[in-house]
Amino acid sequence: AQTVTQSQPEMSVQEAETVTLSCTYDTSESNYYLFWYKQPPSRQMILVIRQEAYKQQNATENRFSVNFQKAAKSFSLKISDSQLGDTAMYFCAFSDYGQNFVFGPGTRLSVLP
Amino acid sequence: GAVVSQHPSRVICKSGTSVKIECRSLDFQATTMFWYRQFPKKSLMLMATSNEGSKATYEQGVEKDKFLINHASLTLSTLTVTSAHPEDSSFYICSAAEGSANEKLFFGSGTQLSVL
Repeated sequence: AQTVTQSQPEMSVQEAETVTLSCTYDTSESNYYLFWYKQPPSRQMILVIRQEAYKQQNATENRFSVNFQKAAKSFSLKISDSQLGDTAMYFCAFSDYGQNFVFGPGTRLSVLP
Repeated sequence: GAVVSQHPSRVICKSGTSVKIECRSLDFQATTMFWYRQFPKKSLMLMATSNEGSKATYEQGVEKDKFLINHASLTLSTLTVTSAHPEDSSFYICSAAEGSANEKLFFGSGTQLSVL
């Protein structure tokens, strides 16, 4: 079974600074998807970024980028120029091309003014 | 991105009653929908996977007779909490998968269930 681990339960960062959230996963699959989802206080889950395992190039979405290390099974999220609106729970997730989406335990990020 | 509508957003009910939660994909067809339960400050716990036209697949420990899931069309899945009890109080979230490999997952806004 696939597992997703986020070793940082809580993190904080000053506004405008950069922060990196860690995620590791375990799978025997060679093709899969990885995601970072954000859950602000409204509790609406919002897709931040998605990475396809067969692509070597790291995904980027504006201020959000990932460092995908397939051999190490690592998928970290970097948030640049942090904004107050980035304060949220961040979940790393894995999908094996179909029926299984597995979420990590989450990292609570606080952006401080 | 695609929109998933979940209703109601909040429901309060008496113990012993049943509550139905709807999850609709508004602008795409979702063969697969997922139902999650989330406790305060915790991650999403998958309850069941629902495929259109077939029986839902429940995760271990989830009572299928307590949490009835119906996925009658490609745009609608429902979760019915039967004979609700206070311990069923929780935040329930649905999601719908899009794409040939279900590579995109979109979430409803969640339902806060409070059983008195």
